[in-house]
Amino acid sequence: LAKTTQPISMDSYEGQEVNITCSHNNIATNDYITWYQQFPSQGPRFIIQGYKTKVTNEVASLFIPADRKSSTLSLPRVSLSDTAVYYCLVGVMNSGNTPLVFGKGTRLSVIA
Amino acid sequence: DTGVSQDPRHKITKRGQNVTFRCDPISEHNRLYWYRQTLGQGPEFLTYFQNEAQLEKSRLLSDRFSAERPKGSFSTLEIQRTEQGDSAMYLCASSRSGRWEETQYFGPGTRLLVL
Repeated sequence: LAKTTQPISMDSYEGQEVNITCSHNNIATNDYITWYQQFPSQGPRFIIQGYKTKVTNEVASLFIPADRKSSTLSLPRVSLSDTAVYYCLVGVMNSGNTPLVFGKGTRLSVIA
Repeated sequence: DTGVSQDPRHKITKRGQNVTFRCDPISEHNRLYWYRQTLGQGPEFLTYFQNEAQLEKSRLLSDRFSAERPKGSFSTLEIQRTEQGDSAMYLCASSRSGRWEETQYFGPGTRLLVL
């Protein structure tokens, strides 16, 4: 599985757009990218997932360049409730027995 | 609420006791995963079931850890002879096979404290 690297922490003010970039230089052809959000004392919550280009849902956007060696999670107009740890993961398509490998994630602190 | 439930949410036990945790996955999900998470770290994979078959268990931390999914629905994780180092959050996740991308949905976790 491709190793991921993301910043340990980020700070942002309320109302700003936050972009968290994850590098995965060794991503393979059949790998996809998933982002999770985790609040203290809760399980990770799925945010968004993609293979290439851009994916958008009601919560976030995911930008993946053509070489797929990195991805950027974009959170529009963050609020205090977006303070959490964000994990970038690479998973293998159609392979349930290849476990997800979580790093330490990016701790986002949103300031009023 | 993702639809994955875990019970209990909190467990305090004394060193040497056995503990058992239960996970109820989303009903149509055939895959079930157990993870452990310690403070400041991301979740660490422990084991995985597809239906009732345990397809990966080499990552279980020791032979004191065991998991079952007898009817392919709920699962239990047991820790025998608990040690203080077992104190952690134990997370369960479920997913549905047959899709090119697999999205795992996590439960709220069971926080274990071993005294």
